Amino acid sequence: QVQLQESGPGLVEPSGTLSLTCAVGGASISGGDWWTWVRQPPGKGLEWVGEIHKSGRTNYNPSLKSRVTLSVDESKSLLSLKMTSVSAADTAVYYCARGGNHRFDCWGQGTLVTVSS
Amino acid sequence: QSALTQPASVSGSPGQSITISCTGSSSDVGNYNYVCWYQQQPGKAPKLMIYGVSNRPSGISSRFSGSKSGNTASLTISGLQPEDEADYYCSSYSTTSTWVFGGGTKLTVL
Repeated sequence: QVQLQESGPGLVEPSGTLSLTCAVGGASISGGDWWTWVRQPPGKGLEWVGEIHKSGRTNYNPSLKSRVTLSVDESKSLLSLKMTSVSAADTAVYYCARGGNHRFDCWGQGTLVTVSS
Repeated sequence: QSALTQPASVSGSPGQSITISCTGSSSDVGNYNYVCWYQQQPGKAPKLMIYGVSNRPSGISSRFSGSKSGNTASLTISGLQPEDEADYYCSSYSTTSTWVFGGGTKLTVL
């Protein structure tokens, strides 16, 4: 049973950098082909942020690509998301999810990040 | 990368069937059989209900079914139950090696 747990600062200042981690429990990161990040602004729909393969290969949402970096630390079973130059529009609940086989079958509970001074 | 188009809301009475549509383009829904449907209860993470257009993960009720025709995918829920009330999102893989979600549909069980 895979468990995912996102964590990070709940408040980030405008123009700052948002940094989140996702702890993967119950399975090896190498056991999943792709690991995905999805975000959801309050009261709005889901937005795919990007994905990272266990090999380190990445795909990003074109609208966020210039500001987002995903990484994997297999030894610590940690996924990381870094987003630069954030604004209020980046306020959202951020989810990590297990991908692979063209579906997101296991999700973390999500963590709310608010961008505000 | 445009979001897939879903109706904002649908409703039905217990026991009835409803269908939620998800319209994309030849770059996503029409080009791949990688359409998924997710259910999201208030304050909860999304839950995979359908993958590969019409496949149900283990533990998902057979009342949930999916289909696709051209650039439009559909989720049908038969025998509506009060616990089905939630937001539903479709997603599809696209030719740019990215994923795109629909805007979401709020299902109300009357």
